[in-house]
Amino acid sequence: EAGVTQFPSHSVIEKGQTVTLRCDPISGHDNLYWYRRVMGKEIKFLLHFVKESKQDESGMPNNRFLAERTGGTYSTLKVQPAELEDSGVYFCASSPGSVPNYGYTFGSGTRLTVV
Amino acid sequence: AQSVTQLDSHVSVSEGTPVLLRCNYSSSYSPSLFWYVQHPNKGLQLLLKYTSAATLVKGINGFEAEFKKSETSFHLTKPSAHMSDAAEYFCVVSLPGSSNTGKLIFGQGTTLQVKP
Repeated sequence: EAGVTQFPSHSVIEKGQTVTLRCDPISGHDNLYWYRRVMGKEIKFLLHFVKESKQDESGMPNNRFLAERTGGTYSTLKVQPAELEDSGVYFCASSPGSVPNYGYTFGSGTRLTVV
Repeated sequence: AQSVTQLDSHVSVSEGTPVLLRCNYSSSYSPSLFWYVQHPNKGLQLLLKYTSAATLVKGINGFEAEFKKSETSFHLTKPSAHMSDAAEYFCVVSLPGSSNTGKLIFGQGTTLQVKP
């Protein structure tokens, strides 16, 4: 079974530019989550999709962040315009059902550096 | 509010000696608890989970953790460290109930160093 795939693995952009991160979940996993780890801080929840619907986006930091999951397959997370404080590692995870019964499978993350 | 505290940011052990990574949680509900590990340039991997069944949970690679409600702890242990155990470990809590969307709350992480 293929795992959760994220790309790019690394991205370096200038402040004010736009970046789009992509996550391909495990096939058949309806639940898709985005998390972020800012340097020196703990990993924090951003949002949760069930199929194509946003179930919970309470962790999205501000309206510069836009997540989509068209067709309930892969998801994108766009940051526009990027700010220095957006630097960090963005993780995606997927699950066939609700936690805790299933747990998550995480991707390797995208390391975003805004300069 | 729910929270997770990992008591050590760094732990260093010698190969072949026991590992203890400490975690305390705060939760108004009966929590589900997890330990995840992240090796360099890899994704987060589930080591083990507690979901209100047996309080002693066995995971992969010889790790285990014991849920102690009276102490609100969920410490991770391994009898004998291996060089390949060097990684960052995360204690994680998930909230139960139908309102829970599966959001995980992470501890700050503990970096385990294993010396030859």
